[in-house]
Amino acid sequence: GENVEQHPSTLSVQEGDSAVIKCTYSDSASNYFPWYKQELGKGPQLIIDIRSNVGEKKDQRIAVTLNKTAKHFSLHITETQPEDSAVYFCAASRGNDMRFGAGTRLTVKP
Amino acid sequence: DAMVIQNPRYQVTQFGKPVTLSCSQTLNHNVMYWYQQKSSQAPKLLFHYYDKDFNNEADTPDNFQSRRPNTSFCFLDIRSPGLGDAAMYLCATSRDPGGTNEQYFGPGTRLTVT
Repeated sequence: GENVEQHPSTLSVQEGDSAVIKCTYSDSASNYFPWYKQELGKGPQLIIDIRSNVGEKKDQRIAVTLNKTAKHFSLHITETQPEDSAVYFCAASRGNDMRFGAGTRLTVKP
Repeated sequence: DAMVIQNPRYQVTQFGKPVTLSCSQTLNHNVMYWYQQKSSQAPKLLFHYYDKDFNNEADTPDNFQSRRPNTSFCFLDIRSPGLGDAAMYLCATSRDPGGTNEQYFGPGTRLTVT
């Protein structure tokens, strides 16, 4: 089955700096790669996703890149703000089978 | 607003006492999922329904069961909760299983077992 690894497990940045979280996956048949933000006591919220036929996608301060050959994808957050502080999960999916990375706790210091 | 609703948000049960968690959705999605999330861990898929077709993950304990009486509702039954079942239980939905799989999560139910 699919195995998703996520790094780093914790990340602390200064407000205004960029943050990068990286994930690798094992199943070459995975074709959908979402990123979720989870705040304390809440369910995961989809923030951006990318499909296997696209290499990069951007939505304001958030961007995701996908390298299918190397089987890795990354989340980039620019101009970080304190409200970006949360746990971020990557996931890789094929059909109904979605596997999550272990999560990255991002802290943005004001 | 269309959404995924979970009740209750917090549930306390005694060791071995059956408990039911509920999920409803107004998105009219065909697929509903139940995940278990323990502290500081990723969500782990327990099972999902595509319409009325039930799909169990291979490593989901028999202690966990699910019911989906209609499109809008799905229930998670824990027959004999143990201390190790204390966790956040997340319900999610997606439109259909084919192609990409955008899943929308509810706020979760935090289960405590005493």
